[in-house]
Amino acid sequence: GQNIDQPTEMTATEGAIVQINCTYQTSGFNGLFWYQQHAGEAPTFLSYNVLDGLEEKGRFSSFLSRSKGYSYLLLKELQMKDSASYLCAVSPITDSWGKLQFGAGTQVVVTP
Amino acid sequence: DTAVSQTPKYLVTQMGNDKSIKCEQNLGHDTMYWYKQDSKKFLKIMFSYNNKELIINETVPNRFSPKSPDKAHLNLHINSLELGDSAVYFCASSHSAALVAKNIQYFGAGTRLSVL
Repeated sequence: GQNIDQPTEMTATEGAIVQINCTYQTSGFNGLFWYQQHAGEAPTFLSYNVLDGLEEKGRFSSFLSRSKGYSYLLLKELQMKDSASYLCAVSPITDSWGKLQFGAGTQVVVTP
Repeated sequence: DTAVSQTPKYLVTQMGNDKSIKCEQNLGHDTMYWYKQDSKKFLKIMFSYNNKELIINETVPNRFSPKSPDKAHLNLHINSLELGDSAVYFCASSHSAALVAKNIQYFGAGTRLSVL
């Protein structure tokens, strides 16, 4: 099975940088995804990693270390609209293609 | 314009009733999913269809029955609703389930089900 751990909540000020860590244990691994979910809305895709290293997309970057079962999402130049839940999701190697196992989410609160 | 649309957005019903939620995607994707998000915000896969064929069926009570009439539609029927079924149900789609790069999933706005 998969265990996915991420902090419950983080608070940061506008303009700052926040790093959301995600650790996972899986019997096989295809890739890791990050989604953003604002309260009462649908999750929206942010980034994914298949190989080790950093993927940068504007103010958001995601890092993966497969040997350590570790990823982080880096949010730079925080804006008030970045207040949301950030979900880490692992794509395991199973018989069921496309399956994503989600973590419980990290609620990021951006303060003025 | 909506890529993944699901109806209804809100559903309030009594215990024991049968209800359906519909989902449609206009992205030309091959794969569609149903997720349940409970009160603790934990998002959990229920079912997945690839080109109308069931490929993921998690441990879900058989009161839940998905149906995919074509690859653009995936509906969810729930029989004999129970209090514990209250949650937000999300439909999603992706290009293909076979490759990680094509498995970016796009979610509908959710259906908020309340069972009284």
